[in-house]
Amino acid sequence: AQSVAQPEDQVNVAEGNPLTVKCTYSVSGNPYLFWYVQYPNRGLQFLLKYITGDNLVKGSYGFEAEFNKSQTSFHLKKPSALVSDSALYFCAVRDGLTGGGNKLTFGTGTQLKVEL
Amino acid sequence: GAGVSQSPSNKVTEKGKDVELRCDPISGHTALYWYRQSLGQGLEFLIYFQGNSAPDKSGLPSDRFSAERTGGSVSTLTIQRTQQEDSAVYLCASSEGTSGTIEQYFGPGTRLTVT
Repeated sequence: AQSVAQPEDQVNVAEGNPLTVKCTYSVSGNPYLFWYVQYPNRGLQFLLKYITGDNLVKGSYGFEAEFNKSQTSFHLKKPSALVSDSALYFCAVRDGLTGGGNKLTFGTGTQLKVEL
Repeated sequence: GAGVSQSPSNKVTEKGKDVELRCDPISGHTALYWYRQSLGQGLEFLIYFQGNSAPDKSGLPSDRFSAERTGGSVSTLTIQRTQQEDSAVYLCASSEGTSGTIEQYFGPGTRLTVT
């Protein structure tokens, strides 16, 4: 079985400061990891993914994420937060070992609030 | 290009009534997914379609839920005899294929309220 944990329901950060949104996962095989963002009353937007290769993945809007196999983590980061980054962030995983399509398991989401 | 569209955007229904939710995926995307997002919870997988293959229904919570995909494009999620616990946002997503490396593109969702 595959699972994802986002230990923080909410993260508060001041604009201009670096931000981190945490995600840990559990899979049987190699993980395929994704971050999505959801703005109010809108669907999820894809930010970035890790499949293989470099542990530091860069994505949209200046976001990046670091894959750490030993800690089974895939934390989302941004060097300098903007108020417009305030949204709900979801981490998702698919176990590369299993078949049956592209069924993703999502975390419960982390609300990011960036304040002036 | 056009993204995933869903209709209606909001639906209020009385307990016991049937509802149909529609999803129009991105043109050319062969895979289509339905998820449910309940307040305070993450996204819950419901059902997945890939081409002409039999759908993966493993996430449907009860036999009141069903979905079909006609002509490999538009999909309809039907909930029969709605209950208050069915109240949630229903999200549809599509992707170019079924490889686990491919990201899914989501629609804006249908907010279902059962009174």
